Amino acid sequence: GQNIDQPTEMTATEGAIVQINCTYQTSGFNGLFWYQQHAGEAPTFLSYNVLDGLEEKGRFSSFLSRSKGYSYLLLKELQMKDSASYLCAVRDSNYQLIWGAGTKLIIKP
Amino acid sequence: IAGITQAPTSQILAAGRRMTLRCTQDMRHNAMYWYRQDLGLGLRLIHYSNTAGTTGKGEVPDGYSVSRANTDDFPLTLASAVPSQTSVYFCASSETSGGTDTQYFGPGTRLTVL
Repeated sequence: GQNIDQPTEMTATEGAIVQINCTYQTSGFNGLFWYQQHAGEAPTFLSYNVLDGLEEKGRFSSFLSRSKGYSYLLLKELQMKDSASYLCAVRDSNYQLIWGAGTKLIIKP
Repeated sequence: IAGITQAPTSQILAAGRRMTLRCTQDMRHNAMYWYRQDLGLGLRLIHYSNTAGTTGKGEVPDGYSVSRANTDDFPLTLASAVPSQTSVYFCASSETSGGTDTQYFGPGTRLTVL
């Protein structure tokens, strides 16, 4: 079966750095996405990785290792507005997105 | 304003009733999707459409039907609602169904079936 694993919840301090991990087992791989979802709102796109390595976009970076079936999202200089759920999704061989359950990130002052 | 709209925002429905959730996008995207999101579970694909006139089944299609008569609209119908269909429903679209295309989501419909 296809499976995406992420921690259910993480807590971090304002101004700090946090790393959210995602491991996957899917039938085929055509890219990995990270989305942010604030409570009661729609998911919004953060990043896309298809090749191994680090993609940096401002305070957010995403890393991919295809051989390990592993990705992480790194958030720097945390702000209170970063409190949200972070969703990992993998595009499989049928070009459908398989979604993890999301990681709820709580930022404390 | 470009984007995806969904209606209604929320709905309480009696079991056995028929319900259509509406989704409209103005980005001229070819591909559209319907997901449901339940607590503790990832988004699950119900149905999708790669282009106007075609539809396909996702992971959890039972009890739902869709149509794609034109590029902009992708309604989702529950023929006879059951309590297990209580969920938040998101419509999404992307320029195409492959490659690097990002999916953009509507604001969601919160449906409660009693």
